[in-house]
Amino acid sequence: AQSVTQPDIHITVSEGASLELRCNYSYGATPYLFWYVQSPGQGLQLLLKYFSGDTLVQGIKGFEAEFKRSQSSFNLRKPSVHWSDAAEYFCAVAGADGLTFGKGTHLIIQP
Amino acid sequence: EAQVTQNPRYLITVTGKKLTVTCSQNMNHEYMSWYRQDPGLGLRQIYYSMNVEVTDKGDVPEGYKVSRKEKRNFPLILESPSPNQTSLYFCASSLGRGTSTDTQYFGPGTRLTVL
Repeated sequence: AQSVTQPDIHITVSEGASLELRCNYSYGATPYLFWYVQSPGQGLQLLLKYFSGDTLVQGIKGFEAEFKRSQSSFNLRKPSVHWSDAAEYFCAVAGADGLTFGKGTHLIIQP
Repeated sequence: EAQVTQNPRYLITVTGKKLTVTCSQNMNHEYMSWYRQDPGLGLRQIYYSMNVEVTDKGDVPEGYKVSRKEKRNFPLILESPSPNQTSLYFCASSLGRGTSTDTQYFGPGTRLTVL
């Protein structure tokens, strides 16, 4: 069965600084990978997804992620964070039954 | 507007009192799913449905039931709720099956408290 690990439960970043959220997956075949964001009190919104092709994928809100098969990773990045980026971020991999999510990374933005 | 709706958004109930959380999507999606979100555990799948009259267990199905009589609706039923089912619940839908590249769209969530 597939699994997703997000090693960082909390990350604190200063506004304007760069951001990288880590995601490692385990899946037997070519993975379909997703990053979702959950703002406080809200549902989940898709940031970006990877299926095939270019390993660097662009998403909404200035986010990007890079798929590295050799490292089984799909890390999310943003060059300069804004206070509105404070949220919970979930990495997910698609399997036969649906999505398997990581436990999430809580992003805190310092002024 | 394409969306997944859930009702109610907030519910406080007592142990053993049957309840239903409704989920409806207006995108003609085949695949629908229920998740629960708990602190430190992320989202875990409860049940999913590939199409009408086709449902299957996810990772944490105990204590829950679902039905898929119509394509647009996928209610979650708790026959005898217990305090360990206190959680935030999300319904989701997508055009294709679980392994597809289709995006899953999530409802706004239902916060359930069982006393």
